Amino acid sequence: QVQLQESGPGLVKPSETLSLTCSVSGGSISSSYWTWIRQPPGKGLEWIGYSYFRGSTKYNASLESRVTISVDTSKNQVSLKVRSVTAADTAVYYCARMWGLDYFDYWGQGALVTVSS
Amino acid sequence: QSVLTQPPSVSGAPGQRVTISCTGSSSNIGTGYDVHWYQQLPGTAPKLLIYANNNRPSGVPARFSASKSGASASLAITGLQAEDEAEYYCQSYDSSLSAFYVFGTGTKVTVL
Repeated sequence: QVQLQESGPGLVKPSETLSLTCSVSGGSISSSYWTWIRQPPGKGLEWIGYSYFRGSTKYNASLESRVTISVDTSKNQVSLKVRSVTAADTAVYYCARMWGLDYFDYWGQGALVTVSS
Repeated sequence: QSVLTQPPSVSGAPGQRVTISCTGSSSNIGTGYDVHWYQQLPGTAPKLLIYANNNRPSGVPARFSASKSGASASLAITGLQAEDEAEYYCQSYDSSLSAFYVFGTGTKVTVL
């Protein structure tokens, strides 16, 4: 059973960089695509992007200029960085495994990140 | 940035059948891309409920079913139970937008 656990600072100042880590257990990080999805408080889900361990990535164009997702096979972790954050980036951030570049079958419990000074 | 439209809410008494629609367009569901459904219980992460239009992952009760036709899809809950009260989202792939993977606007199911 694949398990995902997000971790990182819960509070980030405007204009700074949001950094989150997703620890993967119970499965091979090298055999899947890994994605980040966010959900602003009281709102719907927004796909951020995905990464594969060989370095293949794809991002939501609305965020592409500010986002980096990477896979660290030595640590079994997936990371997310969002640069130059504003209050609009306040959300619960979920990491998830992608199945067949199609849907998201395993999700972490989510990490709330608030952007505020 | 939701391009898949769902009704904001549906409700039903225990034991009843409710359906949730998911309306897309020619650049996503209408092109033939699969539709997937997620259930989000209050305060928890979304959970995969239906994949590839009408398939239930192991452990999902048979009272959940789904279908797709044209540029729309629907999720049905037959024999509604109190624990089904949650937010439900459809999801597909969109070939015209920058988002690629798009979610529905979400539907809150209330058990009366």
